[in-house]
Amino acid sequence: AQSVAQPEDQVNVAEGNPLTVKCTYSVSGNPYLFWYVQYPNRGLQFLLKYITGDNLVKGSYGFEAEFNKSQTSFHLKKPSALVSDSALYFCAVRDVSYNTDKLIFGTGTRLQVFP
Amino acid sequence: EPEVTQTPSHQVTQMGQEVILRCVPISNHLYFYWYRQILGQKVEFLVSFYNNEISEKSEIFDDQFSVERPDGSNFTLKIRSTKLEDSAMYFCASRLRRLNTDTQYFGPGTRLTVL
Repeated sequence: AQSVAQPEDQVNVAEGNPLTVKCTYSVSGNPYLFWYVQYPNRGLQFLLKYITGDNLVKGSYGFEAEFNKSQTSFHLKKPSALVSDSALYFCAVRDVSYNTDKLIFGTGTRLQVFP
Repeated sequence: EPEVTQTPSHQVTQMGQEVILRCVPISNHLYFYWYRQILGQKVEFLVSFYNNEISEKSEIFDDQFSVERPDGSNFTLKIRSTKLEDSAMYFCASRLRRLNTDTQYFGPGTRLTVL
């Protein structure tokens, strides 16, 4: 079965420090992987995606994510966190093996960046 | 930048009543989706819609649910007779084409509270 795991409910980091939000996935075939961010009272905003090619993908607001096939992971990273990065982050996967375009989401990780 | 919009932002209804949640997808997008998020749980796929037909639906999307694109701009989700367990945040999303690489863009959500 397809699934996404975000093992941390919350990640706390000081402003200026690097941040990592973890995501692992399970699919039958090849994955397309996505990160979305949700600010209070806002929808899910697309950050970045991995489809194919370079394992390191860069997205909006200085975020990047590394696809690791052997570890079935797609961790979100940023070299220097900002207080304004505080939000709820969702990892999602689409299993390309099936004739489906639905996204399977993780439970979300709340990122708190302290000044 | 074009956005998916949803109305209302919050809907309160009595159990057994019908509700219609409205979405205006990004104007040139062709694929439309509804997802929901029960408080504290994952974002879950409900249904996808293309060319005036349901493409795929989840087990959650039973006979109480229906979707419609009544005109060239709106995409609606109807719940015929609401239950307490329908209380959730409902997200609409749209996608430009069926290319596997295309991204789903989400609206801000409608919070449905069933009393």
